[in-house]
Amino acid sequence: DSGVTQTPKHLITATGQRVTLRCSPRSGDLSVYWYQQSLDQGLQFLIQYYNGEERAKGNILERFSAQQFPDLHSELNLSSLELGDSALYFCASSAAGRIRSGANVLTFGAGSRLTVL
Amino acid sequence: AQKVTQAQTEISVVEKEDVTLDCVYETRDTTYYLFWYKQPPSGELVFLIRRNSFDEQNEISGRYSWNFQKSTSSFNFTITASQVVDSAVYFCALSDFPMDSSYKLIFGSGTRLLVRP
Repeated sequence: DSGVTQTPKHLITATGQRVTLRCSPRSGDLSVYWYQQSLDQGLQFLIQYYNGEERAKGNILERFSAQQFPDLHSELNLSSLELGDSALYFCASSAAGRIRSGANVLTFGAGSRLTVL
Repeated sequence: AQKVTQAQTEISVVEKEDVTLDCVYETRDTTYYLFWYKQPPSGELVFLIRRNSFDEQNEISGRYSWNFQKSTSSFNFTITASQVVDSAVYFCALSDFPMDSSYKLIFGSGTRLLVRP
């Protein structure tokens, strides 16, 4: 168990629908990262939050949004779903502080597998 | 732009063989970090190692060893005396040294290793 908790583990939905994926980081970690893993795109960085604030944005579609709450858990919202959004969505967290103490080592959750039919 | 290339899509070996997974990276930064992650069939991403760009010493951890060569921009991973449990997808990743705690990783496309009994 990595300490990063993602729910749900599996989700099947239809095109056009909206889903929310939830992530609880490891205790004490302030950063949350979202990644999408698909067969054709590989592991793609979507977005990062640090202590409630958006810190970096990657290849995240406008139909997707995320936030990090005061208790540091994060949610990734996916709307107007398309078949191509089917993927494994990972959340990762990292510690605050210096790189020397491991702040840039990302610990990943088990992922949420989204299937859009 | 940063890029990580893992040219070997899939490698198949017989148990007890040694195997090397190649990783070539591109970055304009002088300070950066390189990582290897393992994704077993169960799907989670497991951190294996982190190296910074100033430390070119090879590292050995049990049956695992890593060879970092700045001159060729490579960070190769060798498994000695492979075992069936080593079967997984292995990802090489690159991170720069941002000032804003945004330690996002750029992943390669992964190498699937199959160790046959």
